[in-house]
Amino acid sequence: DGGITQSPKYLFRKEGQNVTLSCEQNLNHDAMYWYRQDPGQGLRLIYYSQIVNDFQKGDIAEGYSVSREKKESFPLTVTSAQKNPTAFYLCASSTGLAEAQSSYNEQFFGPGTRLTVL
Amino acid sequence: ILNVEQSPQSLHVQEGDSTNFTCSFPSSNFYALHWYRWETAKSPEALFVMTLNGDEKKKGRISATLNTKEGYSYLYIKGSQPEDSATYLCASLNAGNNRKLIWGLGTSLAVNP
Repeated sequence: DGGITQSPKYLFRKEGQNVTLSCEQNLNHDAMYWYRQDPGQGLRLIYYSQIVNDFQKGDIAEGYSVSREKKESFPLTVTSAQKNPTAFYLCASSTGLAEAQSSYNEQFFGPGTRLTVL
Repeated sequence: ILNVEQSPQSLHVQEGDSTNFTCSFPSSNFYALHWYRWETAKSPEALFVMTLNGDEKKKGRISATLNTKEGYSYLYIKGSQPEDSATYLCASLNAGNNRKLIWGLGTSLAVNP
């Protein structure tokens, strides 16, 4: 089955600790994204990657870091510098730039990780 | 500033009612308008991707229309069922935004049996 997996589903961490959220896809998509959702707010883009070994900051990148060493994987690290890390985190992927014109950046989402910092 | 707005924020209907909600988006440099359905405890799933002015798309009891000149799209659900209960998100893709989608806050639909 092709799809996107995120783990874990729920994550609890103590304040001041870094934590890494996993995102893996087997859709052969070039582009991957991390979003954050808070109550009463829309999806806000944290980081995105259009191709392996390259990534760009989204609208709320401060306090987060990512890597894209493999096409299938786009882990997100929530660092201690993120002032309000408790949120629901969604990972998504889409086809790459070469095919983007036909897909118009349609995104496929994982099930999300709910992070609670105590 | 590019904004996508959805209304209403939430909606409660009875089973069998037909309903509709609105997404307004930046009309300048428009590429595409996406509708997604997000059911509780599941991942958001794409419903429609629309690109041309006057486009109308349909999937079962759900349909959507697009007006790119004035920057709005309507989503219609005919004969709502409890399984239609979800948050419906729209997102706009505009040129010059480095292919990032701009997301609305969603309309939360609850269909009472």
